[in-house]
Amino acid sequence: GESVGLHLPTLSVQEGDNSIINCAYSNSASDYFIWYKQESGKGPQFIIDIRSNMDKRQGQRVTVLLNKTVKHLSLQIAATQPGDSAVYFCAEIPLIYNQGGKLIFGQGTELSVKP
Amino acid sequence: NAGVTQTPKFRILKIGQSMTLQCTQDMNHNYMYWYRQDPGMGLKLIYYSVGAGITDKGEVPNGYNVSRSTTEDFPLRLELAAPSQTSVYFCASRVYPPDRLSYYGYTFGSGTRLTVV
Repeated sequence: GESVGLHLPTLSVQEGDNSIINCAYSNSASDYFIWYKQESGKGPQFIIDIRSNMDKRQGQRVTVLLNKTVKHLSLQIAATQPGDSAVYFCAEIPLIYNQGGKLIFGQGTELSVKP
Repeated sequence: NAGVTQTPKFRILKIGQSMTLQCTQDMNHNYMYWYRQDPGMGLKLIYYSVGAGITDKGEVPNGYNVSRSTTEDFPLRLELAAPSQTSVYFCASRVYPPDRLSYYGYTFGSGTRLTVV
């Protein structure tokens, strides 16, 4: 079936370094992609989103890159802080689900920031 | 504004028991969703609703039922609990069409951790 998956289940970085979290998706008809952050015991929290007609979008300390040719999505976090430690999920909304807005989630990458 | 509120936060059920997971939102969102999250995995859609009186199945609906009698409430019912339903359950809501062109505006609850023994 269609799925969104992540290359690395865990990522450990030094405080202050940049982090890159990757995601591969299989549905070429997806229209919209979102990155979520999930801290232990909490629900997913929106970080940044990007539409399929864009290849880059920047937020505060975060950048999302979309490469539709290879169906790849990445989240870059600049100057990673201990508070960034969490599990990060990418999610997509396929075009056919646009009205329902149902998200398809990937497995998740656990980011650990060393002080 | 409380956002999306889920109760209970934790529950242990015996095989074959039934229970209802409660979800309520005070943002007047028309769309509501139930997801489950197994350890180390992403969320999978169980059921969703695009408005009061309208519900539809997601990826993994078997063993669950929902109702949406009001805009605010979207309870999830487990009729005959099975160990495979041990998971963390998240309710979410959003407004459609979105307020901005690019943000679909999902708000998630804090989850219900369910264990079936």
